[in-house]
This record gives sequence, structure tokens and C-alpha cells, in this order.
Amino acid sequence: GQNIDQPTEMTATEGAIVQINCTYQTSGFNGLFWYQQHAGEAPTFLSYNVLDGLEEKGRFSSFLSRSKGYSYLLLKELQMKDSASYLCATNNNAGNMLTFGGGTRLMVKP
Amino acid sequence: KAGVTQTPRYLIKTRGQQVTLSCSPISGHRSVSWYQQTPGQGLQFLFEYFSETQRNKGNFPGRFSGRQFSNSRSEMNVSTLELGDSALYLCASSSPAGVNTGELFFGEGSRLTVL
Repeated sequence: GQNIDQPTEMTATEGAIVQINCTYQTSGFNGLFWYQQHAGEAPTFLSYNVLDGLEEKGRFSSFLSRSKGYSYLLLKELQMKDSASYLCATNNNAGNMLTFGGGTRLMVKP
Repeated sequence: KAGVTQTPRYLIKTRGQQVTLSCSPISGHRSVSWYQQTPGQGLQFLFEYFSETQRNKGNFPGRFSGRQFSNSRSEMNVSTLELGDSALYLCASSSPAGVNTGELFFGEGSRLTVL
């Protein structure tokens, strides 16, 4: 089976850096994803890691360690609009069958 | 480029009824996935269709079914509705390049309330 754990809530200050961790246990692995979801809106794709290491995309970076079953999403220069839920997900087979974690609700304060 | 379109956006049904939800993917996208989102269970995979064939199926009872048409539009149906089926149903499509990467484009969802 699959199990994905991430913190339920985090709070950070505008302009700061925040790291959202995700640990997973899967029977197979075909990639790890981060999605952002603002309240009342659809999730939007942020990043995809299939190999170990860091993927950087502007203010957002995502890291993966397959041997440790661990990933993190790093958000730099936080802005108020970054207040949202961040969903970690794994893809365990061919196709787009994603298993999502419960999401981390990030609150950015002035 | 139009995004993923889901209809209806909101609907209210009573227990025992059935419901059909529709999804039009982004033009050119052939993979359509359906997810259920609830406060308690989060996002859960229902099924995925690719070129009119169900490619993957989640752990939902047989009351939940779906299909995909030749134009890639998809529908999902829930029969004999239960209170616990109240949820946001999200449809997502993926591009030919991202068809096996999980890069999904989600629609706004259909919010179903079962009374």
C-alpha cells in the first residue's frame, strides 16, 4: 500500500523561507509531486521529482531522496499569496494514478 | 487555451439518487482522471481514462463508474447516493508529454451535497 505523511499546518512570516516535509512509503515509485491548492480552488502543479536531488523553479524548490522515502518543498521569499495547502503525492505505476498526502496548510503572516 | 471544464459546479441530491458529472479536458489531452476530495480523507483517486479505456481504478465501490468518449470528454456516475458521497469531485487531464508523469491540470470541480 501507500502512505504519505506531511505536517497538517505550518505558519511562516512574509519574506522568510519555509520547508514543508513529506515522507512516503510505497510499493512502487514513479515520481513525487507537489501541488498547491488555494482555498476553494483547484490544485495546481508545482513540481515533479523522479530522481534524487533538488529541482529548482523560481522561488520554489523540491528535493527527493528515494532511499529515505523523503521529499521537501522549499519556498523562498514568502509572499502572502503563498498561503495555501501544499499537497505531496506519489505516482506508483504507469499513468496518472496519484496518491496524495493530507496536505499542509501554510499560513503566511505579515 | 481553455482549461479543464467541469459541469455542473454545484448540485444537491438526496440519498438513493444517482448523479452524472461531466468533464471536458484541455484540447489535445487524452488522459482524464477523477478524484474525490473531502475534509476527512483528502484527495483520493477514483479512476483514470486514456483513449476511452480505463487505465487505473482506485478503491471505491462499484457505485462509482466512469467512461470516456472519443473526443476525450469524460463522465462519472455515482448510483445509490449515500451521505458520505458528499464531496468535491475533481477532474484532471494531462498532456501527451505528461501522460505518465502525473502533471495534472485540474478543473474547478463539481461540489456534490447528498441530503
